[in-house]
Amino acid sequence: GNSVTQMEGPVTLSEEAFLTINCTYTATGYPSLFWYVQYPGEGLQLLLKATKADDKGSNKGFEATYRKETTSFHLEKGSVQVSDSAVYFCALRKDSGNTPLVFGKGTRLSVIA
Amino acid sequence: GAVVSQHPSRVICKSGTSVKIECRSLDFQATTMFWYRQFPKQSLMLMATSNEGSKATYEQGVEKDKFLINHASLTLSTLTVTSAHPEDSSFYICSASGGTEETQYFGPGTRLLVL
Repeated sequence: GNSVTQMEGPVTLSEEAFLTINCTYTATGYPSLFWYVQYPGEGLQLLLKATKADDKGSNKGFEATYRKETTSFHLEKGSVQVSDSAVYFCALRKDSGNTPLVFGKGTRLSVIA
Repeated sequence: GAVVSQHPSRVICKSGTSVKIECRSLDFQATTMFWYRQFPKQSLMLMATSNEGSKATYEQGVEKDKFLINHASLTLSTLTVTSAHPEDSSFYICSASGGTEETQYFGPGTRLLVL
């Protein structure tokens, strides 16, 4: 079946450090890939997405590239801020918006000043 | 982006009572809504998929008689936890999709505590 594996946290970084959160997936065909962010006490917010191979999603300084050859969608940011502290979820969806998302377990990021 | 609301945001109830959670799409018509459950420090687990006007499709292991889902309109879905027990305490999150639209929009979640 479809599944998403992301690196275990927690990840603790100093402000302005480089961030990478690894995500790999297992799926048949060509899923759409997503990163969601959950700030403390809040629901999930879409951070970025990519719908086909070699697409790069980007938002708020975060980037992720859909790599079909390595079945990966790693999240990166060049310089993290304290406000980026949150839980990040990698997810995939096989078909249209009417099909549910399959989530990874989430990676908690703490950025310290 | 589109907005999805959930009500209540937090509820505490006694064991044996029923709790209804509402999920509303505020500025778009949601043909499909999803209900997820999130345990502390864990990922979201899909409970059921509901399409407007039809019965919900439950994931394996989810009791449909315990978690009643109604999607009576294109902007409202409800999840009722019947005869709640302490093990039902969790964070319940809904998401909504407008159909072929790629993005699903998530509600802020409802934290349920059953005493």
